[in-house]
Amino acid sequence: KNQVEQSPQSLIILEGKNCTLQCNYTVSPFSNLRWYKQDTGRGPVSLTIMTFSENTKSNGRYTATLDADTKQSSLHITASQLSDSASYICVVLTSGTYKYIFGTGTRLKVLA
Amino acid sequence: EPEVTQTPSHQVTQMGQEVILRCVPISNHLYFYWYRQILGQKVEFLVSFYNNEISEKSEIFDDQFSVERPDGSNFTLKIRSTKLEDSAMYFCASSKTGETRYKGGYNEQFFGPGTRLTVL
Repeated sequence: KNQVEQSPQSLIILEGKNCTLQCNYTVSPFSNLRWYKQDTGRGPVSLTIMTFSENTKSNGRYTATLDADTKQSSLHITASQLSDSASYICVVLTSGTYKYIFGTGTRLKVLA
Repeated sequence: EPEVTQTPSHQVTQMGQEVILRCVPISNHLYFYWYRQILGQKVEFLVSFYNNEISEKSEIFDDQFSVERPDGSNFTLKIRSTKLEDSAMYFCASSKTGETRYKGGYNEQFFGPGTRLTVL
């Protein structure tokens, strides 16, 4: 069954610290993997998109990695800010049926 | 900066009633999507739409759901006879390009702020 699992479920860090969020997937066949940031009550905002041939992609303080062999991805946030407090969602697209499989997200809270 | 808009922001309806959720995608985008998020749960893909027809749909998108692009700017999701379990936040998204059916392609989707549907 196509699934996307994220860990941890929630995370609290102090402002200025780094953190890494994990995503494991069993989706097959694989097309691409996306990381989104979702503020409470808002729509998701795209952070990175990676295809099978890309193993790292950065967007400012956000760096995503992808290991297509182990079917794992991570999102690293550097020098966290209060505005980073949000849910971070990993999404995998299947290339067979072109459907988007969403993870349950990691809820990040950054404290001053 | 162009953005996807959705109306209404909150819709309350009685079970069994029809609802239409409206979205105005970004003007030069050609691919449109609907997603839903039940409170406290993950976002779920409903349907993608291109060139006036459905490209893909999930198992959730049954005969009670339909989508339409009635004019050059709006994209609508209709639920014919709402059920209690349809209560959720519904997000519209649009993208300039689609997912290519060959390796290496991808699009970037822009999401609207959502419509919260409450079925009583």
